[in-house]
Amino acid sequence: DAGVIQSPRHEVTEMGQEVTLRCKPISGHNSLFWYRQTMMRGLELLIYFNNNVPIDDSGMPEDRFSAKMPNASFSTLKIQPSEPRDSAVYFCASSRLPGGEKLFFGSGTQLSVL
Amino acid sequence: DQQVKQNSPSLSVQEGRISILNCDYTNSMFDYFLWYKKYPAEGPTFLISISSIKDKNEDGRFTVFLNKSAKHLSLHIVPSQPGDSAVYFCASYNDYKLSFGAGTTVTVRA
Repeated sequence: DAGVIQSPRHEVTEMGQEVTLRCKPISGHNSLFWYRQTMMRGLELLIYFNNNVPIDDSGMPEDRFSAKMPNASFSTLKIQPSEPRDSAVYFCASSRLPGGEKLFFGSGTQLSVL
Repeated sequence: DQQVKQNSPSLSVQEGRISILNCDYTNSMFDYFLWYKKYPAEGPTFLISISSIKDKNEDGRFTVFLNKSAKHLSLHIVPSQPGDSAVYFCASYNDYKLSFGAGTTVTVRA
């Protein structure tokens, strides 16, 4: 089992550019979560998918953020246009359970927006 | 509006001694609590959990205590080892959501 795979590991971009983060959940897991980690707020839930359908996107900070899950093995989180305050570590996590209390996290994408 | 709060951002403890990490929550409807451990450049990993119908759960060196009347839980690590140096996140589970605290960085001194 390869675990949750995220790419890229690091992303440095300039303000105004589009950023796309990618995630491959663990095979067989039907719940997928995107989290953002910052020093001030810790781990914040951005969006939750169940069976590829977005269930709750209330944590998505602004319209600049969007997420998709076209199939059970792939999800993207896009920021367009990016801003310096978006700099953070973005984690993808998956779970086999509908509720997902025991999440399996990827290694994260360290995003720096200059 | 953080529903789970870890008020101590850091903790330093000597190897062999007990580490006690604290967590407070606001919603009495939370029915499941978890602790996750995170090393640098890695994602958080599940450590231990407790259901709201229990007040204690033990797994080896790790014990979680739940005080529902105080809306407080704690994680005890005994004895602390150098490999325990990491960031620890407290999390509450309600419905489908996990709400995390800001984390406590534990440093175990040799």
